[in-house]
Amino acid sequence: EVQLVESGGGLIQPGGSLRLSCAASGFTVSSNYMSWVRQAPGKGLEWISFISTSSSKYYADSVRGRFTISRDNAKNSLYLQMNSLRDEDTAVYYCAGSDWYLWGQGTLVTVSS
Amino acid sequence: EIVLTQSPATLSLSPGERATLSCRSSQSVSSFLAWYQQRPGQAPRLLIYDASNRATGIPARFSGSGSGTDFTLTISSLEPEDFAVYYCQQRSNWPLTFGGGTKVDI
Repeated sequence: EVQLVESGGGLIQPGGSLRLSCAASGFTVSSNYMSWVRQAPGKGLEWISFISTSSSKYYADSVRGRFTISRDNAKNSLYLQMNSLRDEDTAVYYCAGSDWYLWGQGTLVTVSS
Repeated sequence: EIVLTQSPATLSLSPGERATLSCRSSQSVSSFLAWYQQRPGQAPRLLIYDASNRATGIPARFSGSGSGTDFTLTISSLEPEDFAVYYCQQRSNWPLTFGGGTKVDI
């Protein structure tokens, strides 16, 4: 089955760090453009980061300098390293790929003291 | 940053009715616009890409049109499973952006 599965979410204090993972099966992360999208509780979708097949990376202004997207081809996984977390980073984080056809189920990140 | 404005915010309709959703861009995105459906508790699902191309597996009752700054998603005859939130997304410029969404409810 072709799927993406996110993990790594949880409760973290403001200023803390967290790394999200997105494990792919039946699908090759390195051969696809991949993105992270988040959704704050009760709010709309917000694109936050993208990595191309040639490893070009793009970020939303809201996370640039704090978040880093990466992938591990051997593990067929995508990652999002999140540093200096703020209350407003609280959201469900989705990974997406395969020209936006394929989405994970999301992982909840809650930033709160 | 390109701002996408969706209207209306909420569309109250009945099964079998036609739904017309609008997405307006603050500057031209050519045809680099996509539409997604999101049901409660689920991840978004791609419906339309490049303004008017139905994604694989999407029923023919969904259609997209427009170019430049004005786009429309039409659902010709609403099925019960179509009551959801719909988002447009532009892929013309960085940063990629989504509209605020239109909720289609009964």
